[in-house]
Amino acid sequence: GIQVEQSPPDLILQEGANSTLRCNFSDSVNNLQWFHQNPWGQLINLFYIPSGTKQNGRLSATTVATERYSLLYISSSQTTDSGVYFCAAIALNSGYSTLTFGKGTMLLVSP
Amino acid sequence: DGGITQSPKYLFRKEGQNVTLSCEQNLNHDAMYWYRQDPGQGLRLIYYSQIVNDFQKGDIAEGYSVSREKKESFPLTVTSAQKNPTAFYLCASLGGGYNSPLHFGNGTRLTVT
Repeated sequence: GIQVEQSPPDLILQEGANSTLRCNFSDSVNNLQWFHQNPWGQLINLFYIPSGTKQNGRLSATTVATERYSLLYISSSQTTDSGVYFCAAIALNSGYSTLTFGKGTMLLVSP
Repeated sequence: DGGITQSPKYLFRKEGQNVTLSCEQNLNHDAMYWYRQDPGQGLRLIYYSQIVNDFQKGDIAEGYSVSREKKESFPLTVTSAQKNPTAFYLCASLGGGYNSPLHFGNGTRLTVT
């Protein structure tokens, strides 16, 4: 199956700093999603982005499908951005939609 | 509002007992998934279902069972055969093939002592 790798595994930022999180995937995918898991365990969908670039406020994401990676940009980070960021690759496999998650990037934004 | 409801939020059980976690969605999604998350770890796929009365094992299906008798419901049973059942369990659904976002419930924290 598809392998998904995220980097860095951990990241500590000062409030106001910018950061880039990376997600590499081993094969062609039909869709790619970024999630933020808050301290209560809730997984919040940030972007579903099979290709191209999307922006939502301070966050933006770019997926380069031909090179099999996606980037999540966080600008002017805030303490509420802390948590774990996951990317998930969605692919069709024998008629089934399969999802593979990376291990996540743990982000801590300090005041 | 459409969404996925997992219940209960917290569940405590004694070792050796089977326990069933509920997952209900009103999004009219065909595909549903169960994931397990251990502290500081990523998500691991337990079972998934594309349509009613059909489901497939994921990466860590041993000790778990599921049913999909209705489109909106995908309950997960953690059996006594599961060696380390204490974990955070997340249910998700996906509609419209793969060109729509995956939706998650808020999870169930299961503690077995």
